[in-house]
Amino acid sequence: DVKVTQSSRYLVKRTGEKVFLECVQDMDHENMFWYRQDPGLGLRLIYFSYDVKMKEKGDIPEGYSVSREKKERFSLILESASTNQTSMYLCASTDPGDYGYTFGSGTRLTVV
Amino acid sequence: GDSVTQMEGPVTLSEEAFLTINCTYTATGYPSLFWYVQYPGEGLQLLLKATKADDKGSNKGFEATYRKETTSFHLEKGSVQVSDSAVYFCALSGAGGFKTIFGAGTRLFVKA
Repeated sequence: DVKVTQSSRYLVKRTGEKVFLECVQDMDHENMFWYRQDPGLGLRLIYFSYDVKMKEKGDIPEGYSVSREKKERFSLILESASTNQTSMYLCASTDPGDYGYTFGSGTRLTVV
Repeated sequence: GDSVTQMEGPVTLSEEAFLTINCTYTATGYPSLFWYVQYPGEGLQLLLKATKADDKGSNKGFEATYRKETTSFHLEKGSVQVSDSAVYFCALSGAGGFKTIFGAGTRLFVKA
């Protein structure tokens, strides 16, 4: 069964820490995405990548960066975590023209 | 810009009732349309999709028809089960599968 795996289901970090959220897919997909999900705000796109070492800003990139050194792995980095980054983070992947994402199970991050 | 509007929830139904969740969209060109489902504590799963006008997507008893004339993609199921309780997201995607736009989500509760 094809999968997108996020390294942690729950994470608690302190304000100011550098936080890494990891996402790995085993489907050889070209496109990968990071969203955050908040009550009342739905899903908002943070960053996406359409190839190794390529990245594009989404709708809310401020305070985040990403890394894609290998095709299967897409990392989201919170440079200096803040309490307003407490959220559910969802990783997804797809192929061009595939129409439809495969999502990971999500990482619920709490910044204290 | 492109957008998706879906009915606010929560929707509460008794088991075996008929389900409709309305979804309308605004888009340039000819988007692909999707319904995703999110069970508690999980990521989103693709439920069904339609890639062109008049297409009907179906899966697990759920159906939705791509109506270009009314810019709608309403989700229906003839007889819901308790296990269908979840949050349902309508979404659209342009060419290449980049930057899928999600609706706000509709929470469904099904009572036994």
